[in-house]
Amino acid sequence: AQSVTQPDIHITVSEGASLELRCNYSYGATPYLFWYVQSPGQGLQLLLKYFSGDTLVQGIKGFEAEFKRSQSSFNLRKPSVHWSDAAEYFCAVGGGAQKLVFGQGTRLTINP
Amino acid sequence: DAGVIQSPRHEVTEMGQEVTLRCKPISGHNSLFWYRQTMMRGLELLIYFNNNVPIDDSGMPEDRFSAKMPNASFSTLKIQPSEPRDSAVYFCASSRTENTEAFFGQGTRLTVV
Repeated sequence: AQSVTQPDIHITVSEGASLELRCNYSYGATPYLFWYVQSPGQGLQLLLKYFSGDTLVQGIKGFEAEFKRSQSSFNLRKPSVHWSDAAEYFCAVGGGAQKLVFGQGTRLTINP
Repeated sequence: DAGVIQSPRHEVTEMGQEVTLRCKPISGHNSLFWYRQTMMRGLELLIYFNNNVPIDDSGMPEDRFSAKMPNASFSTLKIQPSEPRDSAVYFCASSRTENTEAFFGQGTRLTVV
C-alpha cells in the first residue's frame, strides 16, 4: 500500500532563511507526487506536482521540489521564506487507479 | 471557474441530528473526493467517485455516513445520526481523473454538540 511520511511535524525558520520540508513515500511503481499548502481556515492549494520527466519541479510562490527515486523522497524547498509562507504543508502520493494519500503535514512557523 | 464549492461553510448541530454537506465539483472533472480533517488523524479520505460512481468507500467510518453523487455537478455527504466525535472539517475535492491533481473546496467545519 502507498504511504507518505513527513518526518517534521513543526518547523520554525526565520524570515529570509532557506527552507526544506521533507517527504518520503512508499509506492510500488512510479508515483505521482504533490505538495499542497493549507493556510488557517482554508482549503488545500496545490503548490506543485511531479508526474514524469524533469525531477526538479517548479511550483507557485517560489517553491520547488526534487523527486529522488533512490531515496523515495520528494522534498520541498524555497530559497528565502516570507512571513506569508507560514502555513501547513502536505505531501501526497498517488498513481494508477489508486486514491491520493496524504502525509500528516508539517506546520511552518516564520520568525520575524 | 469558481473552483470546488462547498456548503455550508460552518455547521453546528446537536447530537443525533442529521447533517448534510454539499459539494459542487469543478465542471469537467470526473473524480470527486470527500476528506475529513482532524487534529488527531489528519486528512483522511472517506470516499471517492469516478464518473459519479463510488469507487472506494473504505474510508467511511460507519454506516452513519453515506455519500451520493446523483450527477456530475453535485455530491452530498450525509451523517445520520451525528455524534460529537464527527466534529471535523470536511473537504470535497475534484480532479480531471483519479490521479491528476485534486482541487479542494474551502471545507465545511462541522461541530456536533
